[in-house]
Amino acid sequence: AQRVTQPEKLLSVFKGAPVELKCNYSYSGSPELFWYVQYSRQRLQLLLRHISRESIKGFTADLNKGETSFHLKKPFAQEEDSAMYYCALSDPLGGGGNKLTFGTGTQLKVEL
Amino acid sequence: KAGVTQTPRYLIKTRGQQVTLSCSPISGHRSVSWYQQTPGQGLQFLFEYFSETQRNKGNFPGRFSGRQFSNSRSEMNVSTLELGDSALYLCASSRWDTPNEKLFFGSGTQLSVL
Repeated sequence: AQRVTQPEKLLSVFKGAPVELKCNYSYSGSPELFWYVQYSRQRLQLLLRHISRESIKGFTADLNKGETSFHLKKPFAQEEDSAMYYCALSDPLGGGGNKLTFGTGTQLKVEL
Repeated sequence: KAGVTQTPRYLIKTRGQQVTLSCSPISGHRSVSWYQQTPGQGLQFLFEYFSETQRNKGNFPGRFSGRQFSNSRSEMNVSTLELGDSALYLCASSRWDTPNEKLFFGSGTQLSVL
C-alpha cells in the first residue's frame, strides 16, 4: 500500500531563510504527487503538482525517484508562507479516480 | 464561480444515531470525493464518486456510505455512530476523475459524536 511520510510536524524558519519541507513516499511505480496547503482559517488548496512542473508562490518540488522523495522548497521564506503543508500521492494504477493518500502535514512557521 | 459547499458546518449527534452530510461541487465538476480528518489519523480517503458511480473506496467500515446525484451533488451517510467518528469531514470536487486532477476542497462539516 502506498504511504506518504512527512517527518516534521513543525518547521520554524526566519523570514528570508530557505525553506525545505520534506516528503517521502512509498509506492511501487510512478506516482502522481502533490503539495496542498491550508492557510489559517482557509480551505485546503492545491499548491503545486508534479505533473505541471510549475512554481507557485516561489515554491518548487522535484520528484526524486531514487530517494522516493518530493521535497518542497523555497529559497526565501515570507511571513505569508506560514501554513500547514500536506504532501499527497495519487495512484495512477489504482483503477482510476483521484484518490489521494496524504501525509500527516508539516506546520511551517515563518518568524520575523 | 461558487466554491464547494458543504452543509451543515457543524453537527452534534449521540452514539448510535445516523447522520447525512451534503456536498455541492463546483459547477461543471463531475467528481466528488470525501475525506475524514482527525488529529490522530490525519486526512483519510473515504470514497469518490464520478457520474453517480463510486470509483474508489477507502478502508472504512460499511457504516460509511455515500451517493452522488445526477446534478453531481453528493451525500455521505454514517450509520450507528461511534465516538471515534467525531471528525472533520471534507468534500472535494474536480472536473474529472483522473489521478492528476486538482481537487477543490470545501470547508468541511465538523461532526461531534457524544
